[in-house]
Amino acid sequence: DQQVKQNSPSLSVQEGRISILNCDYTNSMFDYFLWYKKYPAEGPTFLISISSIKDKNEDGRFTVFLNKSAKHLSLHIVPSQPGDSAVYFCAASFQGGKLIFGQGTELSVKP
Amino acid sequence: DADVTQTPRNRITKTGKRIMLECSQTKGHDRMYWYRQDPGLGLRLIYYSFDVKDINKGEISDGYSVSRQAQAKFSLSLESAIPNQTALYFCATQGYSYEQYFGPGTRLTVT
Repeated sequence: DQQVKQNSPSLSVQEGRISILNCDYTNSMFDYFLWYKKYPAEGPTFLISISSIKDKNEDGRFTVFLNKSAKHLSLHIVPSQPGDSAVYFCAASFQGGKLIFGQGTELSVKP
Repeated sequence: DADVTQTPRNRITKTGKRIMLECSQTKGHDRMYWYRQDPGLGLRLIYYSFDVKDINKGEISDGYSVSRQAQAKFSLSLESAIPNQTALYFCATQGYSYEQYFGPGTRLTVT
């Protein structure tokens, strides 16, 4: 039973445009959500997070939106840059415990 | 120097062999995790440890065992490797926040 789902395996975007990566979850007890970025031959690195008591968190070009009623979160990257090309994983946590990861979305930003 | 290191980085082994993957961290974190990454399946949790005397199974622990030798060291063993254990393996640590910090990964191939 996949509690965290990323239904788009890949996304291609033109440089300078907006990238929107989506993530759905099923467990309403999750209280914290994170996005990780992974380049080939490297481990995932933390990108941005959001608490379930908020609906938006922004850090530079990256914004995460949380819609609790829809059990949906999204990561917006504006403007997209070729260096943003990577695999993005969303993850969810309950009370600071272990993380549950989605399957990942591979973002390709074309120059 | 990297905060989370994994050895070896690449390993090819034969079916039935015993193999150990090692993880060391200098972050001083109590919590450590082992994940495997497979295409289309994201990061799946194998085992985790919240302190030196605590070991817990994750969602896919069958065929694996772990040892927490010290706060800084967490090893993953495959007692008798099989081809479907071919994957990327990641170690991660976690402090008091929700974020986990990943090592660079071990690419394991079982022939």
